[in-house]
Amino acid sequence: SSELTQDPSVSVALGQTVRITCQGDSLRIYYASWYQQKPGQAPVLVIYGKNNRPSGIPDRFSGSSSGNTTSLTITGAQAEDEADYYCNSRDSTGNHLVFGGGTKLTVL
Amino acid sequence: VQLVESGGGLVKPGGSLRLSCAASGFTFSDYYMTWIRQAPGKGLEWVSYINGRSSYTNYADSVKGRFTISRDNAQSSLYLQMNSLRAEDTAVYFCARGWSRYDSSGPIDYWGQGTLVTVSS
Repeated sequence: SSELTQDPSVSVALGQTVRITCQGDSLRIYYASWYQQKPGQAPVLVIYGKNNRPSGIPDRFSGSSSGNTTSLTITGAQAEDEADYYCNSRDSTGNHLVFGGGTKLTVL
Repeated sequence: VQLVESGGGLVKPGGSLRLSCAASGFTFSDYYMTWIRQAPGKGLEWVSYINGRSSYTNYADSVKGRFTISRDNAQSSLYLQMNSLRAEDTAVYFCARGWSRYDSSGPIDYWGQGTLVTVSS
């Protein structure tokens, strides 16, 4: 399968913890990356590999995976975390890249 | 790392356009490079990637046979030749740095700001 599935929207109260998930058969083989995108801006890498954060990404962002599901967790969500989040990996052949449909995170 | 796209604009259906991406701040030839697009109000869609030596390319099914990715390592530049354009190709096109030749499991890590391509009569 070449699809990655995400919930279209998720909300979280300020300071609480939220998990954004991404499902796909290829995730049993390949790690995913997670991107944050704010309106009018380019995506920014926030998590990649098993659970790696690029320099400058707050440690409230973390990643995990189990079976065909990979998750992005924000522990203590901040107002500035309100954005669209996309997962990305390879398809089952490993030759094509795929993105999830995106999850719009609202911080209440 | 800096990636700056150019070449977007308005083109009629069936027309052609060539996008460019100027890269700086890293050893360009060491990295796969990718094009990713985003239609207005929609999600991200991978378009194509190319390896550092231009010996391997891959395309999404939606653009295969119409788009051609290329690069000039001497100029640290990435290109996307788009032919037979359709209304559904309307999108912001992002240039992004892929994985290095030393780590094929690495992520797409840096993105340009994108260039808008509008296909309309």
